[in-house]
Amino acid sequence: DTAVSQTPKYLVTQMGNDKSIKCEQNLGHDTMYWYKQDSKKFLKIMFSYNNKELIINETVPNRFSPKSPDKAHLNLHINSLELGDSAVYFCASSPGPRSSYEQYFGPGTRLTVT
Amino acid sequence: GENVEQHPSTLSVQEGDSAVIKCTYSDSASNYFPWYKQELGKRPQLIIDIRSNVGEKKDQRIAVTLNKTAKHFSLHITETQPEDSAVYFCAASATDKLIFGTGTRLQVFP
Repeated sequence: DTAVSQTPKYLVTQMGNDKSIKCEQNLGHDTMYWYKQDSKKFLKIMFSYNNKELIINETVPNRFSPKSPDKAHLNLHINSLELGDSAVYFCASSPGPRSSYEQYFGPGTRLTVT
Repeated sequence: GENVEQHPSTLSVQEGDSAVIKCTYSDSASNYFPWYKQELGKRPQLIIDIRSNVGEKKDQRIAVTLNKTAKHFSLHITETQPEDSAVYFCAASATDKLIFGTGTRLQVFP
């Protein structure tokens, strides 16, 4: 009965590799997000999709490409991984695109690039 | 764009004492101010929120106040308990996204 789930929970990889993180929500929400939390705990939005449509695209390197096959899923693909990509990546969902809705976070994916 | 400042970055209190965390925001159009709690290794979870048409909101031991004129909002936790130990984030929202503060690590000592 997990509301927002992510896989994998941990990801250790070398520089230059390509990796993907998957997110699924079973709350029936229309909007999903990717956040990055760095080592100092700063939580910053990267992307947002509403009903499969990209609505927020922050200044993120184009090595990061989100994809939403349907409104319950949002994946994040990262090409040519760099040391600075090491962080915890959180997926979140909310009932709609207005940011005044509560956002429900997934458990996070800790990415370590060596 | 919106900028949210949060203070203090760390806060240590004795069990039973009160804790106050303060945030300021820059965008006067912001109208929604949630607070999230993140325990070590866990996901952020909403604990309380306030909208711009309300000055104060309380839920048991936690309360949030909002001063729109000064663009300040604060989280107050009374009768703190060790399980309140966590990182607390404020956030502000004007339109389509939440901007988070830098977090406050609260430690409650028994």
